Amino acid sequence: QVQLVDSGGGVVQPGRSLRLSCTASEFTFSSYSMHWVRQGPGKGLEWVAGISHDGTNKDYADSVKGRFSISRDNDNNMVYLQMSGLRGEDSAVYYCAREEAELSKSRYLDYWGQGTLVTVS
Amino acid sequence: SYELTQPPSLSVSPGQTARITCSGENLGVKYVSWYQQRPGQSPLLVMHQDKKRPSGIPERFSGSNSGNTATLTIAGTQAMDEADYYCQAWDSNSVVFGGGTQVTVL
Repeated sequence: QVQLVDSGGGVVQPGRSLRLSCTASEFTFSSYSMHWVRQGPGKGLEWVAGISHDGTNKDYADSVKGRFSISRDNDNNMVYLQMSGLRGEDSAVYYCAREEAELSKSRYLDYWGQGTLVTVS
Repeated sequence: SYELTQPPSLSVSPGQTARITCSGENLGVKYVSWYQQRPGQSPLLVMHQDKKRPSGIPERFSGSNSGNTATLTIAGTQAMDEADYYCQAWDSNSVVFGGGTQVTVL
């Protein structure tokens, strides 16, 4: 069964840094693009960043561009989100998610981690 | 940037049909996915490629997408369907979510 385990959240002061991790198992990790999605308290889902299967392509939401960095380690089935210059509005539950892509060019997020809470205060 | 608009809330009686809409410019040319999120849980994919149900999703869930509007339909709504629902599409390599619709079954 595909599993994604998010970790690394916590309470951090404004302006400081934090690194989130996502540990993947039970699928060929190096074949899939991965994403981070966050959800502020009482708010909807907001895409944060995505990385291609081999790590060569990375995309970011405008709200985090220049402050957050996504990376991956295909040898250890891990994806990371390095967050710097944290602000109060970055407080959220952060989920990693796997992207499935089909020959039809349909793409969707088929598995999600349990989320890790980041509080900037 | 591309935007998706959903009604904030929807109420439906048990056994009735719930239709959740998602609007975006020329949305019909994009593939739309839908996610269900119950309180305290991670999002769950319930529809992809407009109208394909993942394994394990009940047949009462169906989807459509045409023109500027995609719709997730829940036929014979049950209490367990009470949740937030999010539509999602792609804008190049960026993921775009709708604001979410809170479905209440009462």
